[in-house]
Amino acid sequence: DQQVKQNSPSLSVQEGRISILNCDYTNSMFDYFLWYKKYPAEGPTFLISISSIKDKNEDGRFTVFLNKSAKHLSLHIVPSQPGDSAVYFCAAVSSGNTGKLIFGQGTTLQVKP
Amino acid sequence: ETGVTQSPTHLIKTRGQQVTLRCSSQSGHNTVSWYQQALGQGPQFIFQYYREEENGRGNFPPRFSGLQFPNYSSELNVNALELDDSALYLCATYWGGSIGNEQFFGPGTRLTVL
Repeated sequence: DQQVKQNSPSLSVQEGRISILNCDYTNSMFDYFLWYKKYPAEGPTFLISISSIKDKNEDGRFTVFLNKSAKHLSLHIVPSQPGDSAVYFCAAVSSGNTGKLIFGQGTTLQVKP
Repeated sequence: ETGVTQSPTHLIKTRGQQVTLRCSSQSGHNTVSWYQQALGQGPQFIFQYYREEENGRGNFPPRFSGLQFPNYSSELNVNALELDDSALYLCATYWGGSIGNEQFFGPGTRLTVL
């Protein structure tokens, strides 16, 4: 049972344009959502998070939007840079189990110069 | 750099053998989680240790076991290895008890079971 889904395995955008990565979830008990970025041969690195009581969180070029009614979140990267090319995972966690991150399958982002 | 190290980097074992993977953090985080990442998938939660005790477990059989030491370093042990255990194993350390606390991942150990 895949509770967190990233339905796009890959995304390719031009440098300077917007990258939009999407994530859907099924469990309404999730309280927090996080995005991680992963380069080859490295572990996932935390990017940005959002609490379920908010609908937007912004950090520099990265903005996460949460639509609770649709059980959908998205990560916007503006402007995209070649160094952003990586695998992006969304993850969810519930207050009943703060350590257990439930990850999506990941989306590989390629930003072309 | 997350300050989390894992050893070994790569490992090849045969079916039925046992393996021990190690994780340590420079940050002194009191909680460690272990994840299994199969090819093309996201990491899957194996279990979590808080102050040397298992404090949450995912859908993994008992042959996956762990330890956390007083210095908060950790081990993941897998007995009776199966071919499907071939994966990248990640550990993550953080300050437990608060939701949303950032987890810091190590680079992982790539395990291949032949």
